[in-house]
Amino acid sequence: EPEVTQTPSHQVTQMGQEVILRCVPISNHLYFYWYRQILGQKVEFLVSFYNNEISEKSEIFDDQFSVERPDGSNFTLKIRSTKLEDSAMYFCASSGGQGRDTEAFFGQGTRLTVV
Amino acid sequence: DAKTTQPPSMDCAEGRAANLPCNHSTISGNEYVYWYRQIHSQGPQYIIHGLKNNETNEMASLIITEDRKSSTLILPHATLRDTAVYYCIVRLSGTGANNLFFGTGTRLTVIP
Repeated sequence: EPEVTQTPSHQVTQMGQEVILRCVPISNHLYFYWYRQILGQKVEFLVSFYNNEISEKSEIFDDQFSVERPDGSNFTLKIRSTKLEDSAMYFCASSGGQGRDTEAFFGQGTRLTVV
Repeated sequence: DAKTTQPPSMDCAEGRAANLPCNHSTISGNEYVYWYRQIHSQGPQYIIHGLKNNETNEMASLIITEDRKSSTLILPHATLRDTAVYYCIVRLSGTGANNLFFGTGTRLTVIP
């Protein structure tokens, strides 16, 4: 069964450092997403990406965040200068097709710890 | 997107049906009801979705009331592996992207 894969599973970084979280979406999917979940809190939408550009972003997704699809398979989330409050699980997701009622498939997440 | 209301927690005996309710009284005509679950800290997992008709797949059944103001997710024979947080999400159709706005969900505990 096709799946979304994320690397690394756990990343520890120092405050102020840049991090790049990587995702390989399901191959024939067209829409890509990043979500985050701070420990003990809700899953929060960050950004959606379609046709090589951001289609929607939340208030959380400020200038410190960026997304990129550098090649045909990878989808990355970059945090330029990490803060302690960026510590969270980050989930990548993808959904397919042109239909409006397609489901999103999530990866297993990257746990980011900022120290 | 319409807001949903779910009980914070529920228990279910192993092997019995788990019935998880969701209220979405402000749902509009073109909004779908989606159910996802999250086992421990894993990525959310899609379960089922529907617009107005009842739906069934290999994982669950979704019963939507005629006025569409509430729905029930049914796991017909709950197992210990079904212990998870279950999210009912109402999603506006009309856009291609499947942006999901999660609430706090229902924590289902399946008891041996």
